[in-house]
Amino acid sequence: NAGVMQNPRHLVRRRGQEARLRCSPVKGHSHVYWYRQLPEEGLKFMVYLQKENIIDESGMPKERFSAEFPKEGPSILRIQQVVRGDSAAYFCASSPLPAQETQYFGPGTRLLVL
Amino acid sequence: DQQVKQNSPSLSVQEGRISILNCDYTNSMFDYFLWYKKYPAEGPTFLISISSIKDKNEDGRFTVFLNKSAKHLSLHIVPSQPGDSAVYFCAASASQGAQKLVFGQGTRLTINP
Repeated sequence: NAGVMQNPRHLVRRRGQEARLRCSPVKGHSHVYWYRQLPEEGLKFMVYLQKENIIDESGMPKERFSAEFPKEGPSILRIQQVVRGDSAAYFCASSPLPAQETQYFGPGTRLLVL
Repeated sequence: DQQVKQNSPSLSVQEGRISILNCDYTNSMFDYFLWYKKYPAEGPTFLISISSIKDKNEDGRFTVFLNKSAKHLSLHIVPSQPGDSAVYFCAASASQGAQKLVFGQGTRLTINP
């Protein structure tokens, strides 16, 4: 998966808790994307970030979800007060440039909300 | 509104034969198309891509064909091998505006020995 790292690989939370998912892009890539895959479905875009900037968050739910990509450190997808419907696989991808550039995916974080 | 559609949820092909996976799209702004392969519990792995200025791109056993007038693309794998058994996703993006990938629902390819 071209060096994109995600952790944790598996995360179990109870309803109402917070989930923090981390993504370290390929070295030298400054564009990060988060996608969510529900069971038996394709991946759905959530948010696109560059260093310290959110470029497009049109796919992210308006409440409880937030994302950041600080100057130093990994990108973080944060889900507050999780509900059972948040259970899914969350994938991070990175690219060196945005337009017409291949996005390389990490292994994903599988979130299970009990 | 499903802008990228893979109408075959599954496909079974004999080893050594050609596998053809199809994908249709509706958004005429899409100008870059990709195929990813995914194994269970792993992230999608990039296979091959094509820009809208081309109608064919080839990489080893994999060839992608793009028919812009029909808004259709296909992935050909020849010869098919057992290790090709996986779920294949078609994805599209538009260089104007958002850079997000729009994915199809996936096709599960099974290669039979």
